[in-house]
Amino acid sequence: QVHLVQSGAEVKKPGASVKVSCKASGFTFSSYSLHWVRQAPGQGLEWMGIINPSSTTSYAQKFQGRVTMTRDTSTNTLYMDLSSLRSEDTAVYYCARESSGDLNFSYYYTMDVWGQGTTVTVSS
Amino acid sequence: QTVVTQEPSLTVSPGGTVTLTCASSTGAVTSAYYPNWFQQKPGQAPRSLIYSTNKKHSWTPARFSGSLLGGKAALTLSGVQPEDEAEYYCLLYYGSARLFGGGTKLTVL
Repeated sequence: QVHLVQSGAEVKKPGASVKVSCKASGFTFSSYSLHWVRQAPGQGLEWMGIINPSSTTSYAQKFQGRVTMTRDTSTNTLYMDLSSLRSEDTAVYYCARESSGDLNFSYYYTMDVWGQGTTVTVSS
Repeated sequence: QTVVTQEPSLTVSPGGTVTLTCASSTGAVTSAYYPNWFQQKPGQAPRSLIYSTNKKHSWTPARFSGSLLGGKAALTLSGVQPEDEAEYYCLLYYGSARLFGGGTKLTVL
């Protein structure tokens, strides 16, 4: 079975950093791009960025300079490091797998597998 | 700054049909934006329903369909069930970036 299992909840002080992990199983981790998406309490989904199989990253402009996404193929684990935390970073953080390819001469992209989410609370 | 816009809320009766839309501030949404639709219920992770405009996963109920409608991406639910009450998000692809819409809260009443 295909799974993404995320690390546990975190409580951090403003100005600190947090590192959230996402362990993959049931698929060839090295072949897929992976996303991070967050959701503040009572708010919508917010795309943070993507890391491709070659570890090339693309981040949402809002997070440029504060977020770092890495992957470790030896342990099939994805990481998201967010620095200079502020109260507005309090949210549930999700990892998601991107599947893509060519289907009947039509290219496709989908975020088809999601982690269970990791709650990060930033509070003094 | 690019914005993706959805209806904040919609209400539909059980058995009815409802269409949710997804607009881009950059102009008409086309298949090149690879529109995706996700369903999210309280306390759960999002679940992909529709990808690349109109493609369904093996788990997507047949009553859900995706299309392009009047310059927007659209998600249509036909024969709505009580369990379809949820938040629905669209996602558009802008080159290497992605952007979610603000979500539509669908109430089945």
